[in-house]
Amino acid sequence: DAGVTQSPTHLIKTRGQHVTLRCSPISGHKSVSWYQQVLGQGPQFIFQYYEKEERGRGNFPDRFSARQFPNYSSELNVNALLLGDSALYLCASSGQAHSSYEQYFGPGTRLTVT
Amino acid sequence: AQSVAQPEDQVNVAEGNPLTVKCTYSVSGNPYLFWYVQYPNRGLQFLLKYITGDNLVKGSYGFEAEFNKSQTSFHLKKPSALVSDSALYFCAVREVDSSYKLIFGSGTRLLVRP
Repeated sequence: DAGVTQSPTHLIKTRGQHVTLRCSPISGHKSVSWYQQVLGQGPQFIFQYYEKEERGRGNFPDRFSARQFPNYSSELNVNALLLGDSALYLCASSGQAHSSYEQYFGPGTRLTVT
Repeated sequence: AQSVAQPEDQVNVAEGNPLTVKCTYSVSGNPYLFWYVQYPNRGLQFLLKYITGDNLVKGSYGFEAEFNKSQTSFHLKKPSALVSDSALYFCAVREVDSSYKLIFGSGTRLLVRP
């Protein structure tokens, strides 16, 4: 079975632009979470969606938004990009939105803002 | 709020020797603890988790972790290190709210020398 897939792999954007990152969860998984990993740090939680509803939001500005589609894939949108948004964006899926279920991560999208 | 600490930025060990990567946690309520590994330019791979039960948890690739409630620790261990174990290791705790997000430590780089 395919794991979590993310696209694109790499992306270079200019300050002020917007970006859309995409994620497809493991087949059968209904929960998708997004994390931002800045170089040299652990991942930071951005959003979680379960059954197309937002379950949680991390401490990120309103420039960050996300949604989950009926097929459980998800998009992360970032508007008005700043240099500090440069990071590896990780998507994770889980079979259930329950505390005991581990999350499986995709390879990430490397975003560089210049 | 839940938190984890990984006190060592880097751990160096010779191939064939046992390895330990340290993690301490702070939670309200029962801890749900996880270890992930990250190879260069890759996403995070799930290694193991502690939810309840035996304090010694066995995971992938020969890794295990020991949960110690009195010391609030969840150290990752392996009896015999391999050069291929060299990677970045993250300890994480599950937030017990509607999002069940993971809160990650800052990571520990493991270097196994031949």
